[in-house]
Amino acid sequence: DAKTTQPNSMESNEEEPVHLPCNHSTISGTDYIHWYRQLPSQGPEYVIHGLTSNVNNRMASLAIAEDRKSSTLILHRATLRDAAVYYCILRDVVTYKYIFGTGTRLKVLA
Amino acid sequence: EPEVTQTPSHQVTQMGQEVILRCVPISNHLYFYWYRQILGQKVEFLVSFYNNEISEKSEIFDDQFSVERPDGSNFTLKIRSTKLEDSAMYFCASSFGEGSGNTIYFGEGSWLTVV
Repeated sequence: DAKTTQPNSMESNEEEPVHLPCNHSTISGTDYIHWYRQLPSQGPEYVIHGLTSNVNNRMASLAIAEDRKSSTLILHRATLRDAAVYYCILRDVVTYKYIFGTGTRLKVLA
Repeated sequence: EPEVTQTPSHQVTQMGQEVILRCVPISNHLYFYWYRQILGQKVEFLVSFYNNEISEKSEIFDDQFSVERPDGSNFTLKIRSTKLEDSAMYFCASSFGEGSGNTIYFGEGSWLTVV
């Protein structure tokens, strides 16, 4: 089973920031938090990952709680092209495989 | 930016036929994976491959499935005798390393329809 929990869906207005939450209360000290998104009929696309500190890249920011039991993916200005399912994933500590949950379906309103 | 490429993008096959899905992972990556996604369902792990061996496989990856790295660039998934329930999007993926901090990069998928 996936070790993360996310809301099933969220909505945002275009050009507004979006905060996508993820809970991972059983995270271990060496688990990185990975975020992917999947547009319709496409493969999962890497967005960002981090361990302890907040991370920024050209796509998004990742805010990690101090106790690391939760994180938030931040899209600074949502566009219609950001409508996708967003997955928060921890790699399995034994097999290192990704275990996908159902993710958060983000709807962006024009 | 380097990417994982997959062929074919879509294949329709008769039940019982063999299918080979092909992938070219990112060139300096050492770990290779296949995942699948049945329409409307979660992305599921099938198999991981390293150093010319399967390192992990799921219960889905039964004797009908096999993987191979026939040369230095391709990575293939073979389904020996397809069943209707094999209809799904199959994603190839690769990563440089295996640890938690290593990112897996996915291809665009091969959509398999078994009729």
